Amino acid sequence: RKEVEQDPGPFNVPEGATVAFNCTYSNSASQSFFWYRQDCRKEPKLLMSVYSSGNEDGRFTAQLNRASQYISLLIRDSKLSDSATYLCVAGGSYIPTFGRGTSLIVHP
Amino acid sequence: EAQVTQNPRYLITVTGKKLTVTCSQNMNHEYMSWYRQDPGLGLRQIYYSMNVEVTDKGDVPEGYKVSRKEKRNFPLILESPSPNQTSLYFCASSLSGTGAYNEQFFGPGTRLTVL
Repeated sequence: RKEVEQDPGPFNVPEGATVAFNCTYSNSASQSFFWYRQDCRKEPKLLMSVYSSGNEDGRFTAQLNRASQYISLLIRDSKLSDSATYLCVAGGSYIPTFGRGTSLIVHP
Repeated sequence: EAQVTQNPRYLITVTGKKLTVTCSQNMNHEYMSWYRQDPGLGLRQIYYSMNVEVTDKGDVPEGYKVSRKEKRNFPLILESPSPNQTSLYFCASSLSGTGAYNEQFFGPGTRLTVL
């Protein structure tokens, strides 16, 4: 069974902190990787795609390590509004596999 | 506005009473899929469709049916719901037929309770 594993947390951090999440995937044939954000009882929304070369979008940086089969998400200068669940996704062709999510709580 | 819509948003029903959850997207996406989300289990794919009249099983298809007669619609059918199908259901769509490669756009979710 293809798996995507994440630490469920919660990660409880103060505003302004830097926090990092890791996610491991078991299917070495996975070719596409994403981070989604999900607010409580709402639909997931794409946060960012993850490329082999890594990518950055403002305070968010995503990295892919194919050799070790993990992807990471770094959030710098955390805001209260970053509080959410972050879902890691690894995709082969037709069936993307979602991790169970990592909960982040940013407090004042 | 580009969106995925689902109806109903909330449904309480009884065991064995057939129900349909509708899903519609207005983005001309080829790929559509259904997920269920349960505490501690994350999002699991039920069925997906690569295009009109092309559907296939996801990870947890038992007890569900789907159809894709039109590009924009992808209804989820529970012929004989059981309590273990109580869950939060999401419909999603993606631009190309190989949906795992692209961003998926999710509907707002349907919270189903089967008594």
